[in-house]
Amino acid sequence: GENVEQHPSTLSVQEGDSAVIKCTYSDSASNYFPWYKQELGKRPQLIIDIRSNVGEKKDQRIAVTLNKTAKHFSLHITETQPEDSAVYFCAAGDDMRFGAGTRLTVKP
Amino acid sequence: DTAVSQTPKYLVTQMGNDKSIKCEQNLGHDTMYWYKQDSKKFLKIMFSYNNKELIINETVPNRFSPKSPDKAHLNLHINSLELGDSAVYFCASSRGGVPSGTYEQYFGPGTRLTVT
Repeated sequence: GENVEQHPSTLSVQEGDSAVIKCTYSDSASNYFPWYKQELGKRPQLIIDIRSNVGEKKDQRIAVTLNKTAKHFSLHITETQPEDSAVYFCAAGDDMRFGAGTRLTVKP
Repeated sequence: DTAVSQTPKYLVTQMGNDKSIKCEQNLGHDTMYWYKQDSKKFLKIMFSYNNKELIINETVPNRFSPKSPDKAHLNLHINSLELGDSAVYFCASSRGGVPSGTYEQYFGPGTRLTVT
């Protein structure tokens, strides 16, 4: 099955800074790469996703980039705000393997 | 109008007991999943069903048995509960088709299981 690695495990930034989280995957057949946000005590929710036929997708302050050759994809959050503080998960593979998660803290 | 619901939300029980968690989705999705999230927040897939058929069965103890009476429901039964089973269990669903992993997953609110 797919093997997904996510880095860093924790990330602390100042409000207004950018945050980048990176994931690598092993199965070159994977073609769908979602990112989920999980706030404390809540369920994971999709914030952005990308398919393998595009290299980048943007939605306001959030963007995802995909490098199929290198088998990695990244989440970019610009102008971070305290409400961005959460655990972020990437996923890949037909069987939706999740990365280990990144705890993002945005300090006001 | 809840999309994916789970019951109960909290479950406290003693070691050795048998318990069940129920999940229902009203999104018309063909694929449903069970995930276990431990204290370190790692989301580990346990099972996946597509149209009532088991398609992913990870290496979990056989004390865990999923049951899908219809494509809108996926229940999880756990026998002989152990301390290490304490975790939050999430049900999720996604659109069907092959491969089933290429669509957004909608998660239920989670069931926090505490085994004492």
